[in-house]
Amino acid sequence: GAGVSQSPSNKVTEKGKDVELRCDPISGHTALYWYRQSLGQGLEFLIYFQGNSAPDKSGLPSDRFSAERTGGSVSTLTIQRTQQEDSAVYLCASSYSGGKGYGYTFGSGTRLTVV
Amino acid sequence: DQQVKQNSPSLSVQEGRISILNCDYTNSMFDYFLWYKKYPAEGPTFLISISSIKDKNEDGRFTVFLNKSAKHLSLHIVPSQPGDSAVYFCAARNNNDMRFGAGTRLTVKP
Repeated sequence: GAGVSQSPSNKVTEKGKDVELRCDPISGHTALYWYRQSLGQGLEFLIYFQGNSAPDKSGLPSDRFSAERTGGSVSTLTIQRTQQEDSAVYLCASSYSGGKGYGYTFGSGTRLTVV
Repeated sequence: DQQVKQNSPSLSVQEGRISILNCDYTNSMFDYFLWYKKYPAEGPTFLISISSIKDKNEDGRFTVFLNKSAKHLSLHIVPSQPGDSAVYFCAARNNNDMRFGAGTRLTVKP
């Protein structure tokens, strides 16, 4: 597609339930990133996928968070047993590998609210 | 561990004047610095970047200045326009690790 697509755009879930967030990166982009933005905070790195390499999971805040990327394209971020502190906007971005100076292309995000 | 800091949460400027957005970082390994602009309900969009080997990069109304000795960068917008009103994020990159500041909300008044 023309841009990075994320779904759903909004998700309200009850505490303790599992949620799945989806990201469709730009076709041909080999790198895919997940960030989240909590209220009043900057963008917090979560996880990074590059081609067929093992993902960099160093930003995942707990073992309730996991992500996968199938076929080097679509990615799913899963949050198990959601907590209220998980409420945030979850942003996905993709880029060409090595395009250091050109930044990432972000999706519009998924606003997750845990009640 | 906040490696990139934007200490001003908001800035208000009159249309036609200069907007100066500031950013400080702590990690000397960062080799690229970027600015992103974000409108409500949209993802951040890339605006301008600068390599750590340069001290200035200009693109139209936007100029980014880098002071490596002070670990400080700034974004100048001149002249400011009402459409520039948005949240601006500073980012710093080391290989594939990119860290963002908390953002500064710029309001340009007509």
